[in-house]
Amino acid sequence: DTAVSQTPKYLVTQMGNDKSIKCEQNLGHDTMYWYKQDSKKFLKIMFSYNNKELIINETVPNRFSPKSPDKAHLNLHINSLELGDSAVYFCASTDGGLKQFFGPGTRLTVL
Amino acid sequence: GQQVMQIPQYQHVQEGEDFTTYCNSSTTLSNIQWYKQRPGGHPVFLIQLVKSGEVKKQKRLTFQFGEAKKNSSLHITATQTTDVGTYFCAGRTGRRALTFGSGTRLQVQP
Repeated sequence: DTAVSQTPKYLVTQMGNDKSIKCEQNLGHDTMYWYKQDSKKFLKIMFSYNNKELIINETVPNRFSPKSPDKAHLNLHINSLELGDSAVYFCASTDGGLKQFFGPGTRLTVL
Repeated sequence: GQQVMQIPQYQHVQEGEDFTTYCNSSTTLSNIQWYKQRPGGHPVFLIQLVKSGEVKKQKRLTFQFGEAKKNSSLHITATQTTDVGTYFCAGRTGRRALTFGSGTRLQVQP
């Protein structure tokens, strides 16, 4: 029944490592997003994909690379992790630009 | 770029008191949405306002969109402990992505 799911829920890793977060939505939506929420709760959009095509890239470092194998999946790969990457990453989807459905989030901690 | 500010950043109320959070955009918005994020949870959509001066109610929650479509407010009457969380406004200009406000964290003392 889960509308937007993310794995893993928690991710603890060392600086310099490469990691991936996966997202899947079963709502049939065309548009998916990645957001970063920092420790002060600011929610900032990172990427947006529409039907597997990148439509928004909000000045995110090249170390972050989204991949959408199909319109139900949007994964986020991060190379050479830095301390400042520690945050909660939310995947979201929407249909027709209306309300966004968020996943449960992935709490990334870089040591 | 578009900026959306919210005040206050944080509010602590006694159960039964009212609460209001205000949202201001640097640009005119096509629409504004409100989301609630419970502690440890994810943002959940509450409502969308589209028309200038629009007012919508959801039980104890009242949402307003300013006449100039640059500001909005969320008012909760007689808060309950279940209202605890962070409330975000999110504005859109044209076909651009949503820009989320900085959020207002509400704490309700029983």
